Amino acid sequence: EPEVTQTPSHQVTQMGQEVILRCVPISNHLYFYWYRQILGQKVEFLVSFYNNEISEKSEIFDDQFSVERPDGSNFTLKIRSTKLEDSAMYFCASSDQLGLRTDTQYFGPGTRLTVL
Amino acid sequence: AQKVTQAQTEISVVEKEDVTLDCVYETRDTTYYLFWYKQPPSGELVFLIRRNSFDEQNEISGRYSWNFQKSTSSFNFTITASQVVDSAVYFCALTLNQAGTALIFGKGTTLSVSS
Repeated sequence: EPEVTQTPSHQVTQMGQEVILRCVPISNHLYFYWYRQILGQKVEFLVSFYNNEISEKSEIFDDQFSVERPDGSNFTLKIRSTKLEDSAMYFCASSDQLGLRTDTQYFGPGTRLTVL
Repeated sequence: AQKVTQAQTEISVVEKEDVTLDCVYETRDTTYYLFWYKQPPSGELVFLIRRNSFDEQNEISGRYSWNFQKSTSSFNFTITASQVVDSAVYFCALTLNQAGTALIFGKGTTLSVSS
């Protein structure tokens, strides 16, 4: 069964460093998403991406964040200068497109980012 | 704006008990989708069910059942004869009828099933 994969599973970085989180969405899906979950809290939307453009983004997704689809399979989230409060689990998700209507988002296993 | 409320923070049951997880949502849109996801201790988010706003039929899948009531803006989830493997955090979520739109999650309910 196709699934979303994410690498690395755990990333430790120093405050102020840049990190890139990687995702391989399900191959025939057209929409890609990043969410984050601070430990013990709810899952929060960061950004959605379609046709090489940001489709929607939340207030959390400020200038420190960027997304890219560098090739036909990978989807990345970059945090330019990490802060302590960026420590969280980051989930990638992907969905197909039912015409213009929403479809189920399937999530990857997550990358746990720890900022020291 | 959309909002999902899961008032139960934690529930503890003994194996074989039935348990219902509550979910109340808010939206002004007439067309929307509701979801339940399971987050086991390993951390991944597992899709369980999706329901659109025009389909108020209850659904049963094995030991799981879902009760969608538009009149009370609720989408409750019942596990019958709970098992230890059901122990997880369960999230209710809402999205609008537009591709690429954010999933709005509730805060989750932690279910602990003991043997």
